[in-house]
Formats: sequence, structure tokens, C-alpha cells
Amino acid sequence: GIQVEQSPPDLILQEGANSTLRCNFSDSVNNLQWFHQNPWGQLINLFYIPSGTKQNGRLSATTVATERYSLLYISSSQTTDSGVYFCAVGGSTDSWGKLQFGAGTQVVVTP
Amino acid sequence: EPEVTQTPSHQVTQMGQEVILRCVPISNHLYFYWYRQILGQKVEFLVSFYNNEISEKSEIFDDQFSVERPDGSNFTLKIRSTKLEDSAMYFCASGGQGAGEQFFGPGTRLTVL
Repeated sequence: GIQVEQSPPDLILQEGANSTLRCNFSDSVNNLQWFHQNPWGQLINLFYIPSGTKQNGRLSATTVATERYSLLYISSSQTTDSGVYFCAVGGSTDSWGKLQFGAGTQVVVTP
Repeated sequence: EPEVTQTPSHQVTQMGQEVILRCVPISNHLYFYWYRQILGQKVEFLVSFYNNEISEKSEIFDDQFSVERPDGSNFTLKIRSTKLEDSAMYFCASGGQGAGEQFFGPGTRLTVL
């Protein structure tokens, strides 16, 4: 199956700092989603971005499908940004849409 | 905005007992999924469901697991005889297209004692 690698595994930021999280995948995809897992375990949908660039407030994401990676940018980080960020992809040969998740990036934003 | 809901939010059960986890997907969606996340690990795919039948399942989804869409709104995951290693967060998701965006519910945390 498709392999998904996220980096870095852990990230400690001071409030106000900017950061970039990376997701590499091993094959062509027709779905890529970024999630934020909050302290209660809920997966919050950040972006559906199989290609291109999107922005939502302080967050933005870019997927370069031909080079098999996606980036999530967090600007002016806040303590509420803490949590685990997951990238999940759906392979282009999989018509039923199953998502393969990466191992996540644990982000801690300190005041 | 429509959302996926799951009940219960937390279930505690004894080993060997049957549990049913319930989900109400977004009403006009046709594709339904269950995923699980063991504490501290990544989210894993269990099963996808379309047109009232399983379309794909993972190695985890053995004979102890079953899924059902008993009416037009609910989507359930049944574990027949729970094991300690079934303790995890279970997420339901739905999508309008096979390869489109999936919308996740808040999860059910299952604890098997």
C-alpha cells in the first residue's frame, strides 16, 4: 500500500513562531487531507488538498502531487495549535477512498 | 453545517462482551468508513462500505467485526467478542464520492477491561 511519512515527528514552538510540517507519500494520490487531533482525541479537518494551495486563517497548505509531498504552514502559532497533526492520503488506484494516515507531527506551542 | 455524529462517546466493556458503536453519517453521503486509533499510534483503516455492502476491508477487520446500515441514517460497527487489544478510539467517516473528502465523527473511545 501507499506509504506516508511525516516530518518532523515532534516540534516545539514558542507562541508567535511560524512552522512547516511535511508529508511525503510514495505513490500518486487522488485525496490528501490534513487533520489536527485535539486533546480530546477528535480529528479536526483542516484541509482537503489533493493538489494546489489553500489558506484558512493562519494555516495554509500546499500539495505538489507530481513530487509526492504536501506542506502545512502554521503562522503566528498560538497555544491552541498544540496537538498532533496528521496527513492522510488516498491512493489514485483505490476507488473506494480508503485513507492511509501518517504517524503524525506532535506540536507543542509554549507561551 | 452537516456533521458526522457518533455514540457513545466513551464505552467501557468487559473482555468477551459484544459492543455496537453507532454513527450517523452526513445525510447525502454514499461512502462510509470506520477507522481506529490505538492510544499513541496512528489512525488505521478498518473498512469501507458502499451500496449496502463492504467495498474494502483491512487485515484488522476479521470475523469478530461486522458493519451494518440498518436504516437510512445509521451506520454501525459491531465487535462480537471484545479483546483487550480492541481498546482504541474508533472513528466513523463519510464521503460523497469514492475518492473525495472524508468527514470524520468525534470518535468513540472503547475501553476493554
